[in-house]
Amino acid sequence: NAGVMQNPRHLVRRRGQEARLRCSPMKGHSHVYWYRQLPEEGLKFMVYLQKENIIDESGMPKERFSAEFPKEGPSILRIQQVVRGDSAAYFCASSPDGGGTTEAFFGQGTRLTVV
Amino acid sequence: AQTVTQSQPEMSVQEAETVTLSCTYDTSENNYYLFWYKQPPSRQMILVIRQEAYKQQNATENRFSVNFQKAAKSFSLKISDSQLGDTAMYFCAFIPYSGAGSYQLTFGKGTKLSVIP
Repeated sequence: NAGVMQNPRHLVRRRGQEARLRCSPMKGHSHVYWYRQLPEEGLKFMVYLQKENIIDESGMPKERFSAEFPKEGPSILRIQQVVRGDSAAYFCASSPDGGGTTEAFFGQGTRLTVV
Repeated sequence: AQTVTQSQPEMSVQEAETVTLSCTYDTSENNYYLFWYKQPPSRQMILVIRQEAYKQQNATENRFSVNFQKAAKSFSLKISDSQLGDTAMYFCAFIPYSGAGSYQLTFGKGTKLSVIP
């Protein structure tokens, strides 16, 4: 049973470009969470999605960031017009249900570097 | 809102010795879960141990155990017989049992643990 798969592992973008980060949840998991880890910091919640629905995006910056989890295919975190401050590791986690009783499994993260 | 504080940015321990990592948290919730995650250089976030606040008994997983003091809002991690593979960042995390945000993990800033041969 494959774990949570994130790709790419490393992504380099120039300022102003778009970054697309992909997350395939574990088999049987329909809930996806995105977290961001800035250097020397813990992970910070960004967004919680179920298939075709955004449940909570309270941790997402209001501009340039968007997320989706379509009926088919991986969840996508999209960052438009990237800036240096977007450089971070972005983690995806999935769970079979959204409650706190469930252990969320994390992917290995995507390290975004903006040059 | 919840906060999680890890007051030890870095720690080191000799191989085979015991080390304790500290974590305190602040919440108005009565029921919640606490976690310790390990992040080795590979960056993978690995769940080490989980504690349910309504359980008085401290959780144990092999060489890893916790000292959960609910009144003091303290949740420390003890690693016994430290091994070189324990070298990693360790994050303490909190999640409320129910209600708004019951799916949002709140993390501390982490403690970098180095196990010395």
